[in-house]
Amino acid sequence: KQEVTQIPAALSVPEGENLVLNCSFTDSAIYNLQWFRQDPGKGLTSLLLIQSSQREQTSGRLNASLDKSSGRSTLYIAASQPGDSATYLCAVLSSNTGKLIFGQGTTLQVKP
Amino acid sequence: SQTIHQWPATLVQPVGSPLSLECTVEGTSNPNLYWYRQAAGRGLQLLFYSVGIGQISSEVPQNLSASRPQDRQFILSSKKLLLSDSGFYLCAWSPDGNQPQHFGDGTRLSIL
Repeated sequence: KQEVTQIPAALSVPEGENLVLNCSFTDSAIYNLQWFRQDPGKGLTSLLLIQSSQREQTSGRLNASLDKSSGRSTLYIAASQPGDSATYLCAVLSSNTGKLIFGQGTTLQVKP
Repeated sequence: SQTIHQWPATLVQPVGSPLSLECTVEGTSNPNLYWYRQAAGRGLQLLFYSVGIGQISSEVPQNLSASRPQDRQFILSSKKLLLSDSGFYLCAWSPDGNQPQHFGDGTRLSIL
């Protein structure tokens, strides 16, 4: 059974810092991995999607990497800003079940 | 472009009352549709998914049901709500099972 774990559960950093959020998954049989952002009381916004054959994706200050063999992904945020404060969710699309399996998220606070 | 709508945004219901949450998608045809629940302190849990009109798959035994009366309409229902049905309900769509999922803004359901 696919399980997705995100560490840390919460993170507080001063503005301007570069930071890394971690995601691990137990089954390498995946189609892709997505990173989402969720603001309090809101839905999910897709940030980056990495196909299983890819190693990384970049969008602006965000860079996501994928190491399928070790079951790990990282989301790198450069030069963090208070507006980056949100919960970041990692999810893998299982190629065995076709289901999107989510981690529990990392809640990020960027202090001005 | 495609858009997804959920309503209502918030709902407060007494125990034992019925429920109907609606989700509609615009700008695409024959999408896969999904209902998720996000309970406090827990990750997103897939409740139902549908690959076509009238086709519903249930992921977990529960007090809820889903229906897809039209191609781009997905409804989550209950005849009698339980306290444990409280949570944040998210609807999502994808072009097919291997493609990224796009989420609505969610419905916050509180049961009193």
